[in-house]
Amino acid sequence: QKEVEQNSGPLSVPEGAIASLNCTYSDRGSQSFFWYRQYSGKSPELIMSIYSNGDKEDGRFTAQLNKASQYVSLLIRDSQPSDSATYLCAAPNAGGSQGNLIFGKGTKLSVKP
Amino acid sequence: SQTIHQWPATLVQPVGSPLSLECTVEGTSNPNLYWYRQAAGRGLQLLFYSVGIGQISSEVPQNLSASRPQDRQFILSSKKLLLSDSGFYLCAWSVGQPYGYTFGSGTRLTVV
Repeated sequence: QKEVEQNSGPLSVPEGAIASLNCTYSDRGSQSFFWYRQYSGKSPELIMSIYSNGDKEDGRFTAQLNKASQYVSLLIRDSQPSDSATYLCAAPNAGGSQGNLIFGKGTKLSVKP
Repeated sequence: SQTIHQWPATLVQPVGSPLSLECTVEGTSNPNLYWYRQAAGRGLQLLFYSVGIGQISSEVPQNLSASRPQDRQFILSSKKLLLSDSGFYLCAWSVGQPYGYTFGSGTRLTVV
């Protein structure tokens, strides 16, 4: 059974700090990874995708991928209360078809003012 | 630009009643379409996906079914709802690997 694992949290950080969210995956064949943000009661929103080892930066967000360790992370710099949400990590079901994604259960982030 | 519409937003249904949730996509052709369910305290569970009209694949055996009568329309149905069918139902579309999904706004279903 292919899996994507995340620490459920809650992760609490003060406003302005760096929030670090981590994810591991079991399928070595996975080539692309995604981070979604889900506010309470809302649907997930894609915020970052990463396909290559290393870092990818987009504004205050940085995604990091280490395929050898099967590890992907999301860093949020200068965290704001509006960043408080559940963050979902996702990877393709490489053994499946048509880009089906497997999602972790999410890490709940709370940014305290 | 592409948009995805999903309705209704909330639904309260008695046990044993039928269900029909609809999802439509605009601004793209031949999308891959997905139905996910998110139960309280659990992750996103893939229910069905479709790569074209009339082509449905089921990931989890259950009393739900899906249909794709048109290229950009995806319908989730049940003949008789169970209490365990309660959850947040999400429709999503993509153009395939390696791209991520775009989700609709979701339907919160409560079976009573």
